[in-house]
Amino acid sequence: DAKTTQPTSMDCAEGRAANLPCNHSTISGNEYVYWYRQIHSQGPQYIIHGLKNNETNEMASLIITEDRKSSTLILPHATLRDTAVYYCIVRVAPGSGGGADGLTFGKGTHLIIQP
Amino acid sequence: DGGITQSPKYLFRKEGQNVTLSCEQNLNHDAMYWYRQDPGQGLRLIYYSQIVNDFQKGDIAEGYSVSREKKESFPLTVTSAQKNPTAFYLCASSITWASNQPQHFGDGTRLSIL
Repeated sequence: DAKTTQPTSMDCAEGRAANLPCNHSTISGNEYVYWYRQIHSQGPQYIIHGLKNNETNEMASLIITEDRKSSTLILPHATLRDTAVYYCIVRVAPGSGGGADGLTFGKGTHLIIQP
Repeated sequence: DGGITQSPKYLFRKEGQNVTLSCEQNLNHDAMYWYRQDPGQGLRLIYYSQIVNDFQKGDIAEGYSVSREKKESFPLTVTSAQKNPTAFYLCASSITWASNQPQHFGDGTRLSIL
C-alpha cells in the first residue's frame, strides 16, 4: 500500500469547516483513499472513501486532486464531538501483490475542535 | 441493531495462559479482520478471513490463532507464545474483501497481563 503523510495535529474552531490534508504521492491507479477517525478507547469509525472523483456523504466531503497525489477531508461544520484522531489510508486492490488485505493505519492527525 | 460486537471489553491474562477474544457481526458480511493497536500507534493486521472456513495471516500473526466456522463469528486466541500481548484488539468486517468496500469496526477489547 502507498504511504500517507498527515500533519500530527490541527486545531479548528467549533462551527467552522475542518480541512484535513493527506499526501499520498506514491498512490497507484487502483488504490482507494479511505478516511477513518478514532475517538480515544473506541474502534475506528469509517468516514468516507474514493478513487478519483470527489465524494460527499452525511459526515464529510473528500476532495482528491486530479493527479491523485493528495486529498483533503472536509468536515463542513465541526462540533466538539469531532475531536478525534483522523487517519488517511490508501488501500490496494486485492491480489495486486500489495500484501495482506487489511488497512494500514499510520499515526493520523489529532484534530482538536476548540469551543 | 446491526453491528459488530466484541467481548469482553477488558480482559486480564496470567502469564502462560491462552485467552480467546470474541467477535460477532450481524451485518451478513463475508470478510472479517483482527487488528492490534499499541499505545500511540496505528493498527496492525493480525489475521483476516475473506469468507467462512477460510483465513489468512496478516502482518503480525505469530502467537495468535483464529477460526471462521460461522459467517458471523471470528474469534481470536492469544496464545502463550505471544510474548507481548498487552494491547487494544479490534475486530472489523466488510461486505466483501474488495478494496472498495469499507471495513467497519467493533469497540475493541483491551487485554492486559497480570
